Amino acid sequence: DAGVIQSPRHEVTEMGQEVTLRCKPISGHDYLFWYRQTMMRGLELLIYFNNNVPIDDSGMPEDRFSAKMPNASFSTLKIQPSEPRDSAVYFCASIKRAGGGYGYTFGSGTRLTVV
Amino acid sequence: DAKTTQPPSMDCAEGRAANLPCNHSTISGNEYVYWYRQIHSQGPQYIIHGLKNNETNEMASLIITEDRKSSTLILPHATLRDTAVYYCLPSGSARQLTFGSGTQLTVLP
Repeated sequence: DAGVIQSPRHEVTEMGQEVTLRCKPISGHDYLFWYRQTMMRGLELLIYFNNNVPIDDSGMPEDRFSAKMPNASFSTLKIQPSEPRDSAVYFCASIKRAGGGYGYTFGSGTRLTVV
Repeated sequence: DAKTTQPPSMDCAEGRAANLPCNHSTISGNEYVYWYRQIHSQGPQYIIHGLKNNETNEMASLIITEDRKSSTLILPHATLRDTAVYYCLPSGSARQLTFGSGTQLTVLP
């Protein structure tokens, strides 16, 4: 398996523009997570899906952020409009089951810079 | 979720065992102890997990105290590529993985 695949690896955009981050989880994994990492706040859970359904989006910072999972093999995280404070590394992760005893597989991340 | 305490940084000589401690005194009975690491600019990598018993895999060993209030991750023969931030994460469910500050392990040549 190729692991969790994220694209793009790097994104530089101007403030106010729409940004879309993409993730392909590992086949057969039922859960997908979006995390954000900054120096100040560390790794933060934004939202997670179970069987393509959003379960908990309490970590999404504000309405400018939205996430979708139209099928089991694809998810997007969208920021519209983007702001400089959104600059961070965004990670996607997937896991087979939610119960204890399973480890997450993380993607390589998307480094977003909003100027 | 259980609170964790890890030393902010540790050094280890290459080829020696690296022992990374974690205190999780408020862990509940159904929470596993997970360890992940993050090498610079990469996504976190799962290392190992355990509930009560000590565990070993190809990457590391995990020693959990009998009262489950603390654990130690052991990298038996540390290499330069093991330099990373190591996170200890008690968790009972997928959505409750809360990453703290971790321990920056530096393996010295």
